[in-house]
Amino acid sequence: KNEVEQSPQNLTAQEGEFITINCSYSVGISALHWLQQHPGGGIVSLFMLSSGKKKHGRLIATINIQEKHSSLHITASHPRDSAVYICAVNSRRNTGNQFYFGTGTSLTVIP
Amino acid sequence: DTGVSQDPRHKITKRGQNVTFRCDPISEHNRLYWYRQTLGQGPEFLTYFQNEAQLEKSRLLSDRFSAERPKGSFSTLEIQRTEQGDSAMYLCASSLGILGGRSSYNEQFFGPGTRLTVL
Repeated sequence: KNEVEQSPQNLTAQEGEFITINCSYSVGISALHWLQQHPGGGIVSLFMLSSGKKKHGRLIATINIQEKHSSLHITASHPRDSAVYICAVNSRRNTGNQFYFGTGTSLTVIP
Repeated sequence: DTGVSQDPRHKITKRGQNVTFRCDPISEHNRLYWYRQTLGQGPEFLTYFQNEAQLEKSRLLSDRFSAERPKGSFSTLEIQRTEQGDSAMYLCASSLGILGGRSSYNEQFFGPGTRLTVL
């Protein structure tokens, strides 16, 4: 079983819709990250969370440490949001802070 | 320095050949990570360096794989006797790790990746 599980695997939305992507993890973590990957491979960091909630523009990320669960929300979705969104965690059992990744959620926003 | 760079971006090779990839991290970053991503999957950890020391290797890193970071700056990942199962995107990331003891979380910056196809 993967340490990090994401759902859904694929998501298609109409422009303007509110989108939620979920992430659950099974290990103790020092931080959780939401990453965005565009076709071609480049990965950019959207959020780094250890508690609570963060907001950046139309993106909101929340984490519940007790439930080992995080969500990424996109408000007023736009076609340019189409990408793969990946949840990753820094496990407490590793001193190197390497990431353990979910399988990603492929989002397509239709105009 | 605008970020992490990787070279080459694409590599096509025949089974049994050796390949080497290079990663240049952000200059002041002391940690460097290698990950592998197969199609439709999330990346998987391979190995990481703190300065020139290779501190952890995943069980995914078979004896055909070797990574170096000789001067604590750029790193190379070599795959010997490539197999079709090695076909993947190889991602490099760097971070400014906190030295000493168990560090707190830190952000990683990813390179564009090297896509390897083994025929």
